[in-house]
Amino acid sequence: GENVEQHPSTLSVQEGDSAVIKCTYSDSASNYFPWYKQELGKGPQLIIDIRSNVGEKKDQRIAVTLNKTAKHFSLHITETQPEDSAVYFCAARGAWDTNAGKSTFGDGTTLTVKP
Amino acid sequence: KAGVTQTPRYLIKTRGQQVTLSCSPISGHRSVSWYQQTPGQGLQFLFEYFSETQRNKGNFPGRFSGRQFSNSRSEMNVSTLELGDSALYLCASTEDGNYGYTFGSGTRLTVV
Repeated sequence: GENVEQHPSTLSVQEGDSAVIKCTYSDSASNYFPWYKQELGKGPQLIIDIRSNVGEKKDQRIAVTLNKTAKHFSLHITETQPEDSAVYFCAARGAWDTNAGKSTFGDGTTLTVKP
Repeated sequence: KAGVTQTPRYLIKTRGQQVTLSCSPISGHRSVSWYQQTPGQGLQFLFEYFSETQRNKGNFPGRFSGRQFSNSRSEMNVSTLELGDSALYLCASTEDGNYGYTFGSGTRLTVV
């Protein structure tokens, strides 16, 4: 089955700096890659996603890049703010026909933004 | 638009007991997926239901089961609870099981 590795496990940055979180996946049939943000006491929240036919997607201060050849994708947060502090998860969705409603998640990155 | 609602938020059970957790998806979403979240194992997929049918199942023992009703609400049941079942149980809904989830806040289960 799919395996997703996420790095780093913890990341501390100064407010205003950029943060980058990287993930690799194993199943070449995976075609959908979402990122989630989880704050204390809440469920994960979808913040951005990318499909396999796209190399990059941006939404204000957040961007995601995908390299299908290398099977890795990354989350980039620019101009970080204290409210960006949370746990971030990457995920990969395998082939549609055998992975209905299922995603494989990375282990998470705890991002701390220091004021 | 109401979000995904999970009840109860917290549960304390004794080993050997059984427990039922409930999830109400976003209106119009027909797919409900369940995940177990623990510090050591991260987010692990339990199963997914779509239009009252289980379409996908993770690698959990048969003590973990679920169902979905005609209004898309879903329940999961864990029988013969073990200490290792202590976790945050999350449900997530989508229109059809594809693309991004909307998660509930979870049910925190503690087995003592």
